[in-house]
Amino acid sequence: KQEVTQIPAALSVPEGENLVLNCSFTDSAIYNLQWFRQDPGKGLTSLLLIQSSQREQTSGRLNASLDKSSGRSTLYIAASQPGDSATYLCAVTPGDKLIFGTGTRLQVFP
Amino acid sequence: GAGVSQSPSNKVTEKGKDVELRCDPISGHTALYWYRQSLGQGLEFLIYFQGNSAPDKSGLPSDRFSAERTGGSVSTLTIQRTQQEDSAVYLCASSLVMNEKLFFGSGTQLSVL
Repeated sequence: KQEVTQIPAALSVPEGENLVLNCSFTDSAIYNLQWFRQDPGKGLTSLLLIQSSQREQTSGRLNASLDKSSGRSTLYIAASQPGDSATYLCAVTPGDKLIFGTGTRLQVFP
Repeated sequence: GAGVSQSPSNKVTEKGKDVELRCDPISGHTALYWYRQSLGQGLEFLIYFQGNSAPDKSGLPSDRFSAERTGGSVSTLTIQRTQQEDSAVYLCASSLVMNEKLFFGSGTQLSVL
């Protein structure tokens, strides 16, 4: 059974710091991995999607890497801003549905 | 439409009543998913549709839960004889095809008193 774990569960950093969020999964047989952002009371917004054949994806200040063989992904956020405060979730697709981690709650303070 | 639309945004009901939750996916999206998010918990998969068919219903918690999709578009999640443990945010998402980027609605907050 696929299990997805995210560490840390919560993170609080000052504005301007570079930071790394971690995601690990137990079964490397996946089609892709997605990183999402969830703001309080809102749905999820897809940030980056990495296909199983890819190693990384970049969008603006965000960079996500995937090491399928070791079951790990990282989301790197450069020069963090207070507007980055949210919960970040990773999800893997082993077949026909996404399996989510429990998320990392990020707070960036001015 | 511009995005995935869910209604109602909030629903308060009494234990034992039936509720219907609606999802309007992005036009042209063939895959539609329902997830549940309980307070402090991760997202729990309920069911997904490819077109009007539901190949995977494995996540439905009990036979009180059912879902349908018509015209390859709108989907309805029905919960019969609601229980307090059904209280959660029910999220709908769609993608152009399966295993592609997923777009979520804002969810329906269900409270069972």
